[in-house]
Amino acid sequence: GESVGLHLPTLSVQEGDNSIINCAYSNSASDYFIWYKQESGKGPQFIIDIRSNMDKRQGQRVTVLLNKTVKHLSLQIAATQPGDSAVYFCAETHSGGYNKLIFGAGTRLAVHP
Amino acid sequence: DAMVIQNPRYQVTQFGKPVTLSCSQTLNHNVMYWYQQKSSQAPKLLFHYYDKDFNNEADTPDNFQSRRPNTSFCFLDIRSPGLGDAAMYLCATSREGEQFFGPGTRLTVL
Repeated sequence: GESVGLHLPTLSVQEGDNSIINCAYSNSASDYFIWYKQESGKGPQFIIDIRSNMDKRQGQRVTVLLNKTVKHLSLQIAATQPGDSAVYFCAETHSGGYNKLIFGAGTRLAVHP
Repeated sequence: DAMVIQNPRYQVTQFGKPVTLSCSQTLNHNVMYWYQQKSSQAPKLLFHYYDKDFNNEADTPDNFQSRRPNTSFCFLDIRSPGLGDAAMYLCATSREGEQFFGPGTRLTVL
């Protein structure tokens, strides 16, 4: 469903640790999923995406896992750095043509030195 | 190399005074979107243009209007801003799949 939360869950990690941010999506018909990073005062920035025909995709220091059975998406950040501190949103949609993104509620990642 | 540009970055207006926010893109994408984002919330889609076709979300207030004079530009008009319209307004573009977001315009209503 649509995001309605007023209080973002926060994940606090130590610099250098791995971070895992989780997201439950709502629509079984969604076939394209995106993770966005949003720093304070900025627009969402694309991090990584995955299509429903995959269950894992890796980027530079980031990995996205997709479990369609339980409609769950996760973002793993390796060796978390202070610059990773931001709000992370997952988003689901249909691929091709016009796509309405449905955003998750967001998770704030706080990285401590 | 800015791809989705929003001006101004910060806008202050008075209660009830019309305001226009602008967005331009260098990506030549056919779809452009306007989102409203309030503090600690996900972006909320207001409307989008698929080429010249305007599509309004069902719960977008009539107070919000949009214009797209050409592929590159899109405007958000708030006819009579209320205090509840203070938010970050995000423009985004897409062709297929990934949406590219601009930096946003922070609107303050006094």
